[in-house]
Amino acid sequence: DAGITQSPRYKITETGRQVTLMCHQTWSHSYMFWYRQDLGHGLRLIYYSAAADITDKGEVPDGYVVSRSKTENFPLTLESATRSQTSVYFCASSEYDRATETQYFGPGTRLLVL
Amino acid sequence: QKEVEQNSGPLSVPEGAIASLNCTYSDRGSQSFFWYRQYSGKSPELIMSIYSNGDKEDGRFTAQLNKASQYVSLLIRDSQPSDSATYLCAASSGGNTGKLIFGQGTTLQVKP
Repeated sequence: DAGITQSPRYKITETGRQVTLMCHQTWSHSYMFWYRQDLGHGLRLIYYSAAADITDKGEVPDGYVVSRSKTENFPLTLESATRSQTSVYFCASSEYDRATETQYFGPGTRLLVL
Repeated sequence: QKEVEQNSGPLSVPEGAIASLNCTYSDRGSQSFFWYRQYSGKSPELIMSIYSNGDKEDGRFTAQLNKASQYVSLLIRDSQPSDSATYLCAASSGGNTGKLIFGQGTTLQVKP
């Protein structure tokens, strides 16, 4: 039971490069989310998706692009990485219904932009 | 702006004591509330969820919800050093979006 996985787990890149962070879940959850976590800011929502081909901006979407062609995958792309995007990125998924909105998190990707 | 507020701590308690973690939220439309535990360098993991006013107990953990006061709390009885972590409070965003709003977390230190 793999659950939700992220790759790579660690990434070092340079300013201006494009980087894609992968997220894969095996639960067939409808909802998927991308967060970044920085000291002093907690978890901040970047983008989320309610279903395949449906995505929407979160709190801090600038500089990021997402797509969701398949229910199980939700990649996050940094089009031109900046130092301010150095962070820990978490993907989460949820089988949202009226009774619960519990989100389950992947292990995270630590990204360093030089 | 919808917010969830937590005292960042650290909250330090001796082993065996009760740890009390508190959280307030601003969105009266929030219906679901969650406590996540996050160990250093790890991802958040769900401890408790609560949807109705009152108390909900699960082992050593008790979540309390007061919607009138917009207040959520987590009590940890018989605290253990392994409970030392950051505890994140989250509230549903309302509007049936599936989104959660997270607090910044409270760091708990349980001293042997």
